[in-house]
Amino acid sequence: GAGVSQSPSNKVTEKGKDVELRCDPISGHTALYWYRQRLGQGLEFLIYFQGNSAPDKSGLPSDRFSAERTGESVSTLTIQRTQQEDSAVYLCASSPGLAGQETQYFGPGTRLLVL
Amino acid sequence: RKEVEQDPGPFNVPEGATVAFNCTYSNSASQSFFWYRQDCRKEPKLLMSVYSSGNEDGRFTAQLNRASQYISLLIRDSKLSDSATYLCVVWRGYQKVTFGTGTKLQVIP
Repeated sequence: GAGVSQSPSNKVTEKGKDVELRCDPISGHTALYWYRQRLGQGLEFLIYFQGNSAPDKSGLPSDRFSAERTGESVSTLTIQRTQQEDSAVYLCASSPGLAGQETQYFGPGTRLLVL
Repeated sequence: RKEVEQDPGPFNVPEGATVAFNCTYSNSASQSFFWYRQDCRKEPKLLMSVYSSGNEDGRFTAQLNRASQYISLLIRDSKLSDSATYLCVVWRGYQKVTFGTGTKLQVIP
């Protein structure tokens, strides 16, 4: 079946512009995560959605970052007034959200470069 | 102290060698443990879950030591295709998933 998809795959933007990243999770997966991975670094948790519950936004680095998810489908991560330090790969992962099924399935990521 | 710690490596090993990685975690309430593999410029993919009794999948063996709070990954008969970064993942609930920064393995011909 279809895996997690993300778009765009690459994005180059100018400092100060807004960007919107999209994630399509695996159908039926209630849990959705966004991570940031800077070059040569580990995964940095950003935000977590579970069904219709309020998202866990504890990982968002600043108020320039926001994310939305409609029900159990598509999610968008928005970065306003981008800065050069926002340059990274943004990874989305989904999970069934059921006990005993914690495996996360990752999308290919969006590579963001802020000039 | 980081919640999950891994030796970043790189581990450079010849083909056919056996190599082992450890990962330590700080929170004793951690419930589930996983090893993911990440190839260069690719997304992480699940390699294997880690069970209390230890588990094996072909050339790969994972162990959990709750008393000492670490998990391990053993790779036997290393292949060139095993070259990747191996990420340790500790799960304390859906909102408490922590990835280690990874251990880089380079298998040399």
